Amino acid sequence: RKEVEQDPGPFNVPEGATVAFNCTYSNSASQSFFWYRQDCRKEPKLLMSVYSSGNEDGRFTAQLNRASQYISLLIRDSKLSDSATYLCVVPGQDRKLIWGLGTSLAVNP
Amino acid sequence: ETGVTQSPTHLIKTRGQQVTLRCSSQSGHNTVSWYQQALGQGPQFIFQYYREEENGRGNFPPRFSGLQFPNYSSELNVNALELDDSALYLCASSLKDRGDTGELFFGEGSRLTVL
Repeated sequence: RKEVEQDPGPFNVPEGATVAFNCTYSNSASQSFFWYRQDCRKEPKLLMSVYSSGNEDGRFTAQLNRASQYISLLIRDSKLSDSATYLCVVPGQDRKLIWGLGTSLAVNP
Repeated sequence: ETGVTQSPTHLIKTRGQQVTLRCSSQSGHNTVSWYQQALGQGPQFIFQYYREEENGRGNFPPRFSGLQFPNYSSELNVNALELDDSALYLCASSLKDRGDTGELFFGEGSRLTVL
């Protein structure tokens, strides 16, 4: 299994839809997980941190499944402005951060 | 905005040349990490500096080197540029002990093109 793996997409959804991305990781000792958002040709920005079973912030929910070693990001009521690449980040065995390749989301009018 | 600034924003070099990229970290942050992001890829960790010392390195050759200054700003130097070095170079600052949390604050990056 790759250290961090994401479905690259692209996910094309209409406005208002609910969409979910998964990210699998190999380091079972990881305690913290992060979702970053990256707009085209821009820098990544922290979207959510996940330290326990999950985290919710408005339309965004991140959940952690330690048994299956994956985290998910759920976006409800998608907006056009949610179009971006979503990057999953997991600390590796040497505590350095491992980044997924990202999942591309396009929200269409 | 994150308060992390990088320069230059764009630059073009030719193979074999050398380049220096600069980063000013967010006020109070003592850790700087450098990443390389090729088109369509996730960021790849180059190295990290904590209180002026290298604190971890990714799988990059020695021609990638860096510095951190007493004010916590940082430089990334790349010697003997290769075509594959063309990428967005991102600097991220953080504060927590040894900066190995995932809560990083990125600059807008320096886009390097090697011809």
